[in-house]
Amino acid sequence: NAGVMQNPRHLVRRRGQEARLRCSPMKGHSHVYWYRQLPEEGLKFMVYLQKENIIDESGMPKERFSAEFPKEGPSILRIQQVVRGDSAAYFCASSPRNYEQYFGPGTRLTVT
Amino acid sequence: DQQVKQNSPSLSVQEGRISILNCDYTNSMFDYFLWYKKYPAEGPTFLISISSIKDKNEDGRFTVFLNKSAKHLSLHIVPSQPGDSAVYFCAATEGDKIIFGKGTRLHILP
Repeated sequence: NAGVMQNPRHLVRRRGQEARLRCSPMKGHSHVYWYRQLPEEGLKFMVYLQKENIIDESGMPKERFSAEFPKEGPSILRIQQVVRGDSAAYFCASSPRNYEQYFGPGTRLTVT
Repeated sequence: DQQVKQNSPSLSVQEGRISILNCDYTNSMFDYFLWYKKYPAEGPTFLISISSIKDKNEDGRFTVFLNKSAKHLSLHIVPSQPGDSAVYFCAATEGDKIIFGKGTRLHILP
């Protein structure tokens, strides 16, 4: 059973471009979570999704950020018009149920 | 305002000795407390958890203690091994979210 997969592992974008981060949950997991880790900080919750539904997006910035988890395919975290402050490691986790979350290796986004 | 606090950014422990990582929290409504271990360039790995109704949980070399009255938990690793060198995150669940502390970097010295 493959673990949580995230791609790309590293992403470089210029200011104003769009960033798309992908997350494939573990087989059989229907819950997906996105977290952001800024330098020297802990992981901060962004959004919790189940298939085709956003359950909790209380940690998502109000503008430029969106997430989806379609019926088929990976979960996508999309950041429009990236700014330098978006540079961070973005981690996805999946779970068969609450709290037992398994993390992917993360995507390191660098905005130049 | 941080709900989960790890006040020690780093800790160095001799190999074979006990490592004690501490964590404080402010929200008495947390359901579960978790410890995650993270190596560079990898995602966090779940280590051990404790329900808010328990005061101790043990798994091999790892034991987590919970003191609800003090809103404090600790992770004990004994004996410490070189492979334990990593960043350890204390975390707590609140409904569907996990709230993380900032982490403590543990160095195991030879």
